[in-house]
Amino acid sequence: DQQVKQNSPSLSVQEGRISILNCDYTNSMFDYFLWYKKYPAEGPTFLISISSIKDKNEDGRFTVFLNKSAKHLSLHIVPSQPGDSAVYFCAASLPSGSARQLTFGSGTQLTVLP
Amino acid sequence: KAGVTQTPRYLIKTRGQQVTLSCSPISGHRSVSWYQQTPGQGLQFLFEYFSETQRNKGNFPGRFSGRQFSNSRSEMNVSTLELGDSALYLCASSLRDSHNSPLHFGNGTRLTVT
Repeated sequence: DQQVKQNSPSLSVQEGRISILNCDYTNSMFDYFLWYKKYPAEGPTFLISISSIKDKNEDGRFTVFLNKSAKHLSLHIVPSQPGDSAVYFCAASLPSGSARQLTFGSGTQLTVLP
Repeated sequence: KAGVTQTPRYLIKTRGQQVTLSCSPISGHRSVSWYQQTPGQGLQFLFEYFSETQRNKGNFPGRFSGRQFSNSRSEMNVSTLELGDSALYLCASSLRDSHNSPLHFGNGTRLTVT
């Protein structure tokens, strides 16, 4: 049972345009969401997160939007740069006390074309 | 500040053998988590340690075990290796003792079982 889903395995965007990566979840108990970026042969790098009490969080070129009623979150990258080409994972966390367990989506390969 | 360090980077083992992977968290981080990444299953949670105690365990057989030392360094052990254990094993550390504290990942250990 995939509780966090990234339905687009790949996305290609022109440099300078907006990249929008999507993620859906099924467990309404998730209350904290994160986006990670992963280059080949490296571990995932934390990008940005959002708590379920918010609907938007912004950090430089990266903005995450959360729609709780639709159980959907998205990551916007503006403007996209070739260095943004990587696999992007969304992840979610339950409010289970102090235990930390992230449930990851399957990832979306973003390619930014020069 | 040094990141999460995992050793070794690559390992080749034979079915039936056992293996130990090592992880040094970011200085000051007391929580260490382990994840397995495979092409078919994506990133899956193995276990989490805090102050030398396992606080949470994912849905993996008992052949997978781990421990954390007083200096927060962690090891994970896989006994009686199977071909399906071939994967990238990622360690992550976290600063705050709360479920909404981002995880910072190492570059992983690539285990190949033949």
